[in-house]
Amino acid sequence: AQTVTQSQPEMSVQEAETVTLSCTYDTSESDYYLFWYKQPPSRQMILVIRQEAYKQQNATENRFSVNFQKAAKSFSLKISDSQLGDAAMYFCAYRSASNTGNQFYFGTGTSLTVIP
Amino acid sequence: DTGVSQDPRHKITKRGQNVTFRCDPISEHNRLYWYRQTLGQGPEFLTYFQNEAQLEKSRLLSDRFSAERPKGSFSTLEIQRTEQGDSAMYLCASSLYSNNEQFFGPGTRLTVL
Repeated sequence: AQTVTQSQPEMSVQEAETVTLSCTYDTSESDYYLFWYKQPPSRQMILVIRQEAYKQQNATENRFSVNFQKAAKSFSLKISDSQLGDAAMYFCAYRSASNTGNQFYFGTGTSLTVIP
Repeated sequence: DTGVSQDPRHKITKRGQNVTFRCDPISEHNRLYWYRQTLGQGPEFLTYFQNEAQLEKSRLLSDRFSAERPKGSFSTLEIQRTEQGDSAMYLCASSLYSNNEQFFGPGTRLTVL
């Protein structure tokens, strides 16, 4: 089974600064999707950014960007110009691109604190 | 609101009781997923429906757990003879067949005393 590892249980960043959250995964598949989800306290999870493994270009969504290193099986999230509203748990997730691979595999999460 | 909704948001029950949770997906989404999330962990996959068909079940889904999605709309997750180890947040998510993004509901937090 695929595994997703987030080695940073907690991270903190000063408001307006940049922070990078790490994620590694293990798979034998060549085609898959990677995601970063944000879960604010007592609120539902929302998608932050998505990356297709066949695309070499790193995905970007406003202040959020990823560094996707397929050979290293690494998928880090960079948050630029951090805002207080970015404080949340961040989960990295993997999904196979095969027709039978419907479930998401999540990491254990990184709790991000934004310091005013 | 057109997002995924779950009911109830919180449930406290005594060990041995049965509980049932409901999930209403986004109306045009034909895929529906159930996950369990314990403190300090990411969501763990439980089961998946495409329309009314239950196509995948995790080995985490013991015989005490059953899920249905009649008519391919809302879904229910029932836990029979609850145990303290069942205490967790139960998340529902839905997606379109052709889209990989899953939209999550707010979850049902179960506490088994």
